[in-house]
Amino acid sequence: AAGVIQSPRHLIKEKRETATLKCYPIPRHDTVYWYQQGPGQDPQFLISFYEKMQSDKGSIPDRFSAQQFSDYHSELNMSSLELGDSALYFCASSSKGLAGGRGETQYFGPGTRLLVL
Amino acid sequence: AQRVTQPEKLLSVFKGAPVELKCNYSYSGSPELFWYVQYSRQRLQLLLRHISRESIKGFTADLNKGETSFHLKKPFAQEEDSAMYYCALSGLGDSNYQLIWGAGTKLIIKP
Repeated sequence: AAGVIQSPRHLIKEKRETATLKCYPIPRHDTVYWYQQGPGQDPQFLISFYEKMQSDKGSIPDRFSAQQFSDYHSELNMSSLELGDSALYFCASSSKGLAGGRGETQYFGPGTRLLVL
Repeated sequence: AQRVTQPEKLLSVFKGAPVELKCNYSYSGSPELFWYVQYSRQRLQLLLRHISRESIKGFTADLNKGETSFHLKKPFAQEEDSAMYYCALSGLGDSNYQLIWGAGTKLIIKP
């Protein structure tokens, strides 16, 4: 079965550079979530989209932005990168429509490991 | 406030011994509770959710609303169970379905 796809899997950037992470949800999933997991830390919610509209916002820095496109894939744009942005960035997808919008299961991608030097 | 607490950062047990990973939550309403597992260098995977009441890889978890707990249990640990385990809660606001995560428990199964 198709899973959540993230690209790239690994990314090395320097301080003050920009990065774009991509997430392709499971087919027919309408919701995408972004999480940041620092070394040895639990995942922290960044932002989510439902039907191409932002549905929830967590601890996402102002330097970051994200959007969901018409094909439901999502991109996380990160500018003015800082050393502290080095982390594993997970994308997850779910289907609110099918689940009736109550605590539906989120399926995670493999993550993009970002290293800022 | 919504909060998930996993009191143990590290749990080490011998192979064949029973395992219990603790999870307590704070939520005003009816929560959806999940356990996710993260094997070394792999993605987060859903282990189980309380609403389905399934047993995955021998693990079970019962939602105890009185004690606000959702402890993960397995009667006989196996070496391949070594991983990070995260308890998570799903918010039930208007459109807030983000997962609220516990800090995780690293489970080490000793041979």
